[in-house]
Amino acid sequence: KNEVEQSPQNLTAQEGEFITINCSYSVGISALHWLQQHPGGGIVSLFMLSSGKKKHGRLIATINIQEKHSSLHITASHPRDSAVYICAVLPGSQGAQKLVFGQGTRLTINP
Amino acid sequence: SQTIHQWPATLVQPVGSPLSLECTVEGTSNPNLYWYRQAAGRGLQLLFYSVGIGQISSEVPQNLSASRPQDRQFILSSKKLLLSDSGFYLCAWSVTRGGGYTFGSGTRLTVV
Repeated sequence: KNEVEQSPQNLTAQEGEFITINCSYSVGISALHWLQQHPGGGIVSLFMLSSGKKKHGRLIATINIQEKHSSLHITASHPRDSAVYICAVLPGSQGAQKLVFGQGTRLTINP
Repeated sequence: SQTIHQWPATLVQPVGSPLSLECTVEGTSNPNLYWYRQAAGRGLQLLFYSVGIGQISSEVPQNLSASRPQDRQFILSSKKLLLSDSGFYLCAWSVTRGGGYTFGSGTRLTVV
C-alpha cells in the first residue's frame, strides 16, 4: 500500500462543475503539498498545508491532520484546469525535506 | 527573487551514451536540492538529495549518480544510459523545514 493515495485516478467533468480530488496518507507529516502538472511536464506548486484550509482563486485546499486526509476543490471548473494534480507529503522529523508523492489524478474538463 | 534553472528541456540519447543534466538555483543559499524522476505512467520518485556541497544521498539503486560541486548547482549523471533511464527528470529545492518547495521545469529524456 502506498503511503499516499489519491482518488480518483482519472476524472472527467464538464466545464463549470465543482471538482474534488482526495488524498489520504498513512504517515505523520509536517506539511502537505498540492501540485499541478501540465501535459508538457512542468510542475507548479499550488498549495502547501499543515492545517486548516487555503484558498487561491477558484482553488481550495483543506487538510484534516487527525484523519490524515486532504482535499483539493476546484470551483467553476474550466478546460484550462485540465492537468494532473498531485498530492505530496513531507513526513515529519527528517533533515532533508523528502516529498512522498501520490500517483496523481488526471483531470479533464470538457467545454 | 528565487529561481531554479534546469536544462536541457528535452534530450534524446542512444543506449550506452553518457548523460549530464544540470540544475542551478538563484536567490538563496544552502538550499536542499533534489532530483526526482517520473517514469512513463508512474508517479514521481526521489532519486537523490543533497543538504550541502559534496553531500549526496541516494534513495534508490540505479544507473545514475549525482554531484553538487557548488552550493547552488546539482548535476545528474550517467556513464552509460539504459533504456530504463527514460523518463521525466525534475530538479527541486527547499530551504527550511516547513518551507516551500520549488520545482524546475524538467527534462524529458528518451533513451533509444
